Amino acid sequence: AQSVTQLDSQVPVFEEAPVELRCNYSSSVSVYLFWYVQYPNQGLQLLLKYLSGSTLVKGINGFEAEFNKSQTSFHLRKPSVHISDTAEYFCAVSPRAGYSTLTFGKGTMLLVSP
Amino acid sequence: DTAVSQTPKYLVTQMGNDKSIKCEQNLGHDTMYWYKQDSKKFLKIMFSYNNKELIINETVPNRFSPKSPDKAHLNLHINSLELGDSAVYFCASSQGKGSPQHFGDGTRLSIL
Repeated sequence: AQSVTQLDSQVPVFEEAPVELRCNYSSSVSVYLFWYVQYPNQGLQLLLKYLSGSTLVKGINGFEAEFNKSQTSFHLRKPSVHISDTAEYFCAVSPRAGYSTLTFGKGTMLLVSP
Repeated sequence: DTAVSQTPKYLVTQMGNDKSIKCEQNLGHDTMYWYKQDSKKFLKIMFSYNNKELIINETVPNRFSPKSPDKAHLNLHINSLELGDSAVYFCASSQGKGSPQHFGDGTRLSIL
């Protein structure tokens, strides 16, 4: 079984400041890792994914994440946020073997103010 | 073109009624899913179908019955709706191991 912990339920930040959203996971098997974003009243959109290879992955909208196997973390970063980045962000894992269902964290609300 | 589309977008109904939500994907994916997002925004898998076969059923009450007429469609029928069924239900699809899931815009179900 897998579990995902997003340590912050809400992260307030000023526009153009850097941000880091934290994600830790626990799993008895090897996993793939994902970050999704949910804008108000919309579905989930993939930001980025880690499957293998370089531990630093770049995604859409200027976001990037770093996979740290020893710390079982997959933190999301952006060097300079915009008002339009205000949304709910979900970290998720799926097992490399067996069925590919996603186990989500509880989400982090990123609030960007002017 | 919408990749994963769900209907209806909003569903308001009374306790005890039966309702259905439909999902269609035009991505050619072979696996489809239903997720439930509760009032605290927590997302949890309910069902997964691969090529019309049920492969995941996550301790969901028997009142919920998914049906996949073909691999592009996955519908969700709910009998005897209860207050606790109020949530947003998301359909998703994917193709192959490690491929990201594509989500619909959700169906917001409100039980009066």
